[in-house]
Amino acid sequence: KQEVTQIPAALSVPEGENLVLNCSFTDSAIYNLQWFRQDPGKGLTSLLLIQSSQREQTSGRLNASLDKSSGRSTLYIAASQPGDSATYLCAVNQAGTALIFGKGTTLSVSS
Amino acid sequence: ETGVTQSPTHLIKTRGQQVTLRCSSQSGHNTVSWYQQALGQGPQFIFQYYREEENGRGNFPPRFSGLQFPNYSSELNVNALELDDSALYLCASSEGGRGTDTQYFGPGTRLTVL
Repeated sequence: KQEVTQIPAALSVPEGENLVLNCSFTDSAIYNLQWFRQDPGKGLTSLLLIQSSQREQTSGRLNASLDKSSGRSTLYIAASQPGDSATYLCAVNQAGTALIFGKGTTLSVSS
Repeated sequence: ETGVTQSPTHLIKTRGQQVTLRCSSQSGHNTVSWYQQALGQGPQFIFQYYREEENGRGNFPPRFSGLQFPNYSSELNVNALELDDSALYLCASSEGGRGTDTQYFGPGTRLTVL
């Protein structure tokens, strides 16, 4: 059974810092991995999707990497801003239908 | 391009009642997935519909049922509500029944069961 783990559960950083969020999964047979952002009580905003054949994807200050063989992905956020404060979720698509999510990392960026 | 929309935004029901949640998929998308997110947890997959047929189901009891309409909008029905059904219900749409597609989420419906 696929399990997705995100470490740390919470992270507080001062504005301007570069930071890395971690995601690990137990079964490497995945279609893709997706990173989402969730603001309190709101829906999910898709940030980046990495197909199983890809190693990384970039969007603005965000860079996500995927190492399928070791079951790991990282989300790198450059020059963090207070507006980046949110919960970040990673999810793997294993069977072509369901996304399997981790519990998320709650990020707080102070000004 | 219109994104994924859900209604209602919030809902309060009592134990034993039935509820229907609605989702309109993003324009051009024919696949809709439903997820339940309890407080402090990641979303859990309920089921997926592709071109009006159920295309996968998670570990949820039969009292969770769904429909997809010809315009690809969808409903989630929950019968005999229990206190543990209190959660944020999220709908996601994607372009096709392929595992490689990005799923785009709506704002969710917050269900409270008293």
